[in-house]
Amino acid sequence: DSGVTQTPKHLITATGQRVTLRCSPRSGDLSVYWYQQSLDQGLQFLIHYYNGEERAKGNILERFSAQQFPDLHSELNLSSLELGDSALYFCASSSENQPQHFGDGTRLSIL
Amino acid sequence: AQTVTQSQPEMSVQEAETVTLSCTYDTSESDYYLFWYKQPPSRQMILVIRQEAYKQQNATENRFSVNFQKAAKSFSLKISDSQLGDAAMYFCAYSIQGAQKLVFGQGTRLTINP
Repeated sequence: DSGVTQTPKHLITATGQRVTLRCSPRSGDLSVYWYQQSLDQGLQFLIHYYNGEERAKGNILERFSAQQFPDLHSELNLSSLELGDSALYFCASSSENQPQHFGDGTRLSIL
Repeated sequence: AQTVTQSQPEMSVQEAETVTLSCTYDTSESDYYLFWYKQPPSRQMILVIRQEAYKQQNATENRFSVNFQKAAKSFSLKISDSQLGDAAMYFCAYSIQGAQKLVFGQGTRLTINP
């Protein structure tokens, strides 16, 4: 158990819809990262939050947004969903200069 | 831009044997970290080992060790006494010190033959 909790584990929805993925970091970790794992793109960094503030953006679509709340949990919002958004979405957390520990991921399927 | 390349899409090894997974990376930075993560069929991402670029000594974790060649930008993972539970996709990853976002290679699928 990595200590990083992601919910839900699975999500099935239709094109055009909007979903929210949730992540609770390990106790004491201020940094939260979101990654997308798809068959064609591999593992791609989306966004990094540190103590509530956005620190870095990767290949994140404009239809996607994220935030980190005062209790340090984070949410990734995906809107106007397309078939190509089907993927495994990982959240990871870390302390300063420590390795990232990953949650079990949310598998998103777009029908 | 930093890139990570794993040239072996698939590898297989007999149980109890030793296998080496290859990884090369490209960066102009001098301070960085390198990692190997394991993703078993359960799809979890599990940290196997980490190497700080400023350290010349190769990292080891039980049966797992790395061969870090900084000048050659090479970072291979050696698994000794392979076990059935080692079967997984292995990802090599890189991060700039302080920036921390991970850049992943495409992965190597390791099969362990009993």
